[in-house]
Amino acid sequence: AQKVTQAQTEISVVEKEDVTLDCVYETRDTTYYLFWYKQPPSGELVFLIRRNSFDEQNEISGRYSWNFQKSTSSFNFTITASQVVDSAVYFCALSENASGSRLTFGEGTQLTVNP
Amino acid sequence: EPEVTQTPSHQVTQMGQEVILRCVPISNHLYFYWYRQILGQKVEFLVSFYNNEISEKSEIFDDQFSVERPDGSNFTLKIRSTKLEDSAMYFCASSAAGTVRDTQYFGPGTRLTVL
Repeated sequence: AQKVTQAQTEISVVEKEDVTLDCVYETRDTTYYLFWYKQPPSGELVFLIRRNSFDEQNEISGRYSWNFQKSTSSFNFTITASQVVDSAVYFCALSENASGSRLTFGEGTQLTVNP
Repeated sequence: EPEVTQTPSHQVTQMGQEVILRCVPISNHLYFYWYRQILGQKVEFLVSFYNNEISEKSEIFDDQFSVERPDGSNFTLKIRSTKLEDSAMYFCASSAAGTVRDTQYFGPGTRLTVL
């Protein structure tokens, strides 16, 4: 069965600090996708990134970067030079071939960026 | 940019009443989903829907729940005889296809409060 663990319940940083959000997943499938979603205080879920199990190349998009390591079953997310607007709950999610198209979410990490 | 819309944004109902939550998926998407998020908890999959049929459902999606695509644009979730524990944020999502790699785009959610 698939499982996503986000061990960090809450993180608080000061603006301009870098912050890394951890995500560890479990799956028996060889074909799977990992996602990060952002949930700002307004409540909606905003898609950030998708990675597949065959592509371990890390990715950078502006201040965001993602580190995918199959060896440790981790898909961590780093925000560089954090800003107050980055304050949100961040969810890591997994979709595996064996489970159809359902997304399995982690518990989420509440990130607070203080001015 | 196309987006998923949901109405109402907030629904308050009495225990035992029926509610219908409405969603308009992205227009060229073929797969539709409902998820729920109990306050402070993770997002949980309820059901996926394709070609006017349920593709997959979770153990949460019991006989109390039903989904329907009444016309070419709307996708609804009906909860019969609501219970206190149905209070949650309900998210609709859609994807272009239903494979493991397809990104699901979420609507802003409907907050359901059962009194």
